Amino acid sequence: KAGVTQTPRYLIKTRGQQVTLSCSPISGHRSVSWYQQTPGQGLQFLFEYFSETQRNKGNFPGRFSGRQFSNSRSEMNVSTLELGDSALYLCASRLQGALHNEQFFGPGTRLTVL
Amino acid sequence: SQQGEEDPQALSIQEGENATMNCSYKTSINNLQWYRQNSGRGLVHLILIRSNEREKHSGRLRVTLDTSKKSSSLLITASRAADTASYFCATDRREGGSEKLVFGKGMKLTVNP
Repeated sequence: KAGVTQTPRYLIKTRGQQVTLSCSPISGHRSVSWYQQTPGQGLQFLFEYFSETQRNKGNFPGRFSGRQFSNSRSEMNVSTLELGDSALYLCASRLQGALHNEQFFGPGTRLTVL
Repeated sequence: SQQGEEDPQALSIQEGENATMNCSYKTSINNLQWYRQNSGRGLVHLILIRSNEREKHSGRLRVTLDTSKKSSSLLITASRAADTASYFCATDRREGGSEKLVFGKGMKLTVNP
């Protein structure tokens, strides 16, 4: 069974631009969560989608948004990029939405904002 | 603020030695999970321990949970160079109607051959 895939793996943008990241979960997994990882703040939860609906949300500004498609693939979008948005963005999928289920992480997208 | 806080933040040991990492948290939990991350890549789930469990084993890993002290420890026995990675604990948290996993800042383990 293929693992979680994320595209692109690396991305360089400039301030003010917007970016869309993509995540394909493991086949059959309906829950996709997104995390931002930075050296200063560590791993922070962005949001979770389950069956095309946002179920849970972290404490990020509205510039960060996401969606999930009927095939469970998910995208996240960051508008009006700021230097502080430079980070490793990780997505994780799991079979159901319950927190006691193991999450499977993708390799991440490294975003650099110049 | 971080729900889980790993301690120590960095540990360097020789191959064959045991490595112990500790995690403390602040609020009540249903379960606690440990993950490993190799150098800026995705996280790999290691083990989950439920709040009604005190100890769990998986291969060379041993996890303990003390809910009265709000702490957990991860022991890696007979360490190998391949165990070099960052290790994170994660706890479930419910706030504002949302559920999420809250990760600690991680502990960097270096196993020297």
